Amino acid sequence: GENVEQHPSTLSVQEGDSAVIKCTYSDSASNYFPWYKQELGKGPQLIIDIRSNVGEKKDQRIAVTLNKTAKHFSLHITETQPEDSAVYFCAASSPHDNQGGKLIFGQGTELSVKP
Amino acid sequence: DGGITQSPKYLFRKEGQNVTLSCEQNLNHDAMYWYRQDPGQGLRLIYYSQIVNDFQKGDIAEGYSVSREKKESFPLTVTSAQKNPTAFYLCACRKEGRVEAFFGQGTRLTVV
Repeated sequence: GENVEQHPSTLSVQEGDSAVIKCTYSDSASNYFPWYKQELGKGPQLIIDIRSNVGEKKDQRIAVTLNKTAKHFSLHITETQPEDSAVYFCAASSPHDNQGGKLIFGQGTELSVKP
Repeated sequence: DGGITQSPKYLFRKEGQNVTLSCEQNLNHDAMYWYRQDPGQGLRLIYYSQIVNDFQKGDIAEGYSVSREKKESFPLTVTSAQKNPTAFYLCACRKEGRVEAFFGQGTRLTVV
């Protein structure tokens, strides 16, 4: 089955710097890759996603890139702000799981943005 | 406001007791999911349901049970057979034909 590895587990940056979180997946058939942000004591919130037919997607300060050949995808946050501090999860879903909507999650990255 | 609601936010259970976690959604979404989250780990799928009166086991279903009698509701029962039930439980839902899943705010279960 699908396996998703996420790095780093913790990331500390200065306000205004960029942050990059990387994930690799094992199932070459996976075609949907969402990123979730989870604040302390709350449920994960979908912040951006990408499908396998595109290589990059951007939404204001957040971007996601996908390299299907290498089977990895990354989250890029530019001009980080203290409110970006949270745990970020990547996930992957393959076509036969799409019907069930099953997502396989990475282990999470705790991002800390220092003012 | 449409959304997905989990209750209670915090739940304490004595060893040997069953406990039921509530998940309700008014988004008219077809599929619903239960995930378990442990510190330093990703979310692991317990059970999911794509339609009323049907559900499938996820990766860690042992010691849990669910029902889907209504489209809006997908309660999770943590039974006494679950050896390590202390965790943060998350419910999610998804509309048929879409891939995006939306999560509730979670229930933190502690065994005392």
